[in-house]
Amino acid sequence: DAGVIQSPRHEVTEMGQEVTLRCKPISGHNSLFWYRQTMMRGLELLIYFNNNVPIDDSGMPEDRFSAKMPNASFSTLKIQPSEPRDSAVYFCASSLRQGGGYTFGSGTRLTVV
Amino acid sequence: DQQVKQNSPSLSVQEGRISILNCDYTNSMFDYFLWYKKYPAEGPTFLISISSIKDKNEDGRFTVFLNKSAKHLSLHIVPSQPGDSAVYFCAASAGSGGSNYKLTFGKGTLLTVNP
Repeated sequence: DAGVIQSPRHEVTEMGQEVTLRCKPISGHNSLFWYRQTMMRGLELLIYFNNNVPIDDSGMPEDRFSAKMPNASFSTLKIQPSEPRDSAVYFCASSLRQGGGYTFGSGTRLTVV
Repeated sequence: DQQVKQNSPSLSVQEGRISILNCDYTNSMFDYFLWYKKYPAEGPTFLISISSIKDKNEDGRFTVFLNKSAKHLSLHIVPSQPGDSAVYFCAASAGSGGSNYKLTFGKGTLLTVNP
């Protein structure tokens, strides 16, 4: 298995532009998580899905952030409009069973200038 | 409000010695705890976990200890190797058997193992 695949690996964009991050979870995993890592706040959970349904989006910082999971093999995290304070590494993770560990992707490093 | 705290941002250890990484939590509902290791430019990888019904779990050189009364857990690595140099994250979840399955992470501890 190729693991959790995220794209792009790096994204540099100007303030005000729309940014879309993509994630392909491990086949057969039924939970998907979006995390954001910053120096100040560490790893924060933004949103997670079970069986493609959003369960908890309380970590989504603002209405500028939205996430979708149209099917079991794909999810997007969109920021519109982007701001410099959104600069961070965004991780996607998936898991198969509750109580087990997640498998993380390699992350997308987002820089908003 | 940090529910999972790793108070040591960094730790330096000599190769062959023991590394002890500490983690404290405040949420008494947490019942499942995990450690992840992260190398630069990679995502965190699962290392070891422990359920609240246990106080110790061992996997090779890695042992996790849980002290529920103190709301404290620790990861012991012995003997430490240079390849263990990474950022270690402590994580916790509540009600892992139910719908409230999400992991809360600490900020991480950078472990450096010197040859």
